[in-house]
Amino acid sequence: EDQVTQSPEALRLQEGESSSLNCSYTVSGLRGLFWYRQDPGKGPEFLFTLYSAGEEKEKERLKATLTKKESFLHITAPKPEDSATYLCAVRGLMDSSYKLIFGSGTRLLVRP
Amino acid sequence: GAVVSQHPSWVICKSGTSVKIECRSLDFQATTMFWYRQFPKQSLMLMATSNEGSKATYEQGVEKDKFLINHASLTLSTLTVTSAHPEDSSFYICSAREGRDNSPLHFGNGTRLTVT
Repeated sequence: EDQVTQSPEALRLQEGESSSLNCSYTVSGLRGLFWYRQDPGKGPEFLFTLYSAGEEKEKERLKATLTKKESFLHITAPKPEDSATYLCAVRGLMDSSYKLIFGSGTRLLVRP
Repeated sequence: GAVVSQHPSWVICKSGTSVKIECRSLDFQATTMFWYRQFPKQSLMLMATSNEGSKATYEQGVEKDKFLINHASLTLSTLTVTSAHPEDSSFYICSAREGRDNSPLHFGNGTRLTVT
């Protein structure tokens, strides 16, 4: 069964303190791995798509990497405005209906 | 680009009444839209896949007669919660994709439904 596990569940950082969020996945062939940011009371905002192991994508203070079993979202020198829940989702090769499987997210709090 | 608008952002209704939620893709055509439900501090659970011009495909355990989905055009899908009960109170989010393979899903800002 396809599955996505994110860790940690919650993370508190001081402003400027870099860290990484983990997304472990089990899927019968990966068609794509997606990272989203979700603010309280809002819908998820698309960040990155990764397709194959070794791929990396960057956007401002965020960098996403992918291996055959997991993805990391690295946050460099975070700011309070980076506080949000970060969601990871995968789409399997066998999926024809674009049914993404989401992890439960990591709630990030960056304190000034 | 790729903006999905969802309306209303919140609604309070009485038990037994019906509520309609609209989801529009503003700057692209979406042949497929998706409806999710999210409980506090939990992830998104797919409820149904809405295809323009055809019947929606519901996930296991989702009552199709309670959650009516209509996708009448390439830019509009609606979710109607019929005969709402307090246990239907939740955060409902729609999403859409542009049609290119592996193009990401873009989400609306969600609708907070409270049934009293």
